[in-house]
Amino acid sequence: DQQVKQNSPSLSVQEGRISILNCDYTNSMFDYFLWYKKYPAEGPTFLISISSIKDKNEDGRFTVFLNKSAKHLSLHIVPSQPGDSAVYFCAASGINTDKLIFGTGTRLQVFP
Amino acid sequence: DTEVTQTPKHLVMGMTNKKSLKCEQHMGHRAMYWYKQKAKKPPELMFVYSYEKLSINESVPSRFSPECPNSSLLNLHLHALQPEDSALYLCASSLETGFGSEAFFGQGTRLTVV
Repeated sequence: DQQVKQNSPSLSVQEGRISILNCDYTNSMFDYFLWYKKYPAEGPTFLISISSIKDKNEDGRFTVFLNKSAKHLSLHIVPSQPGDSAVYFCAASGINTDKLIFGTGTRLQVFP
Repeated sequence: DTEVTQTPKHLVMGMTNKKSLKCEQHMGHRAMYWYKQKAKKPPELMFVYSYEKLSINESVPSRFSPECPNSSLLNLHLHALQPEDSALYLCASSLETGFGSEAFFGQGTRLTVV
């Protein structure tokens, strides 16, 4: 049972344009969400997070939006750069759980 | 220091071998995790330690044995593994478990069982 899903396995975006990565979750107990970026054969690198008391969090080129009623979050990267090409995982956690559950990942390719 | 250090980076072992993976952090984090990642799959949680006590075992086979000697170190002892256990093993740590605590990951150990 995949509690955190990223329905787009891959996304291709031109440099300078916006990249939008989506994530859906099923467990209503999740109240803290994170995005990680991962290069091959390396550990995930934390990008940005959001708690359920907010609907938006921004850090430089990265913005995460949370729609609790839809159990949906998205990561916006603008402008996209070739160095952003990687696999992006969303992850979810919550009060009363020790677990950090990862989504299935989206491979982003930014081309010139 | 925001590093989680894992050793070795690569490991090849036979099915009868005993080996250990090591993970170290000096950020004062009290939660540490082992994840397993197969190619093109998300990291899958194996174990969680909170304040040096095992708090979650995700039904991992006993051929994987975690150990947390102190708050900075986390080991994963391997014995009698199978070829399907070949994967990237990731260690992570966070200030606390649960709400509001980003997990920092190590670079992983690429394990090949032959």
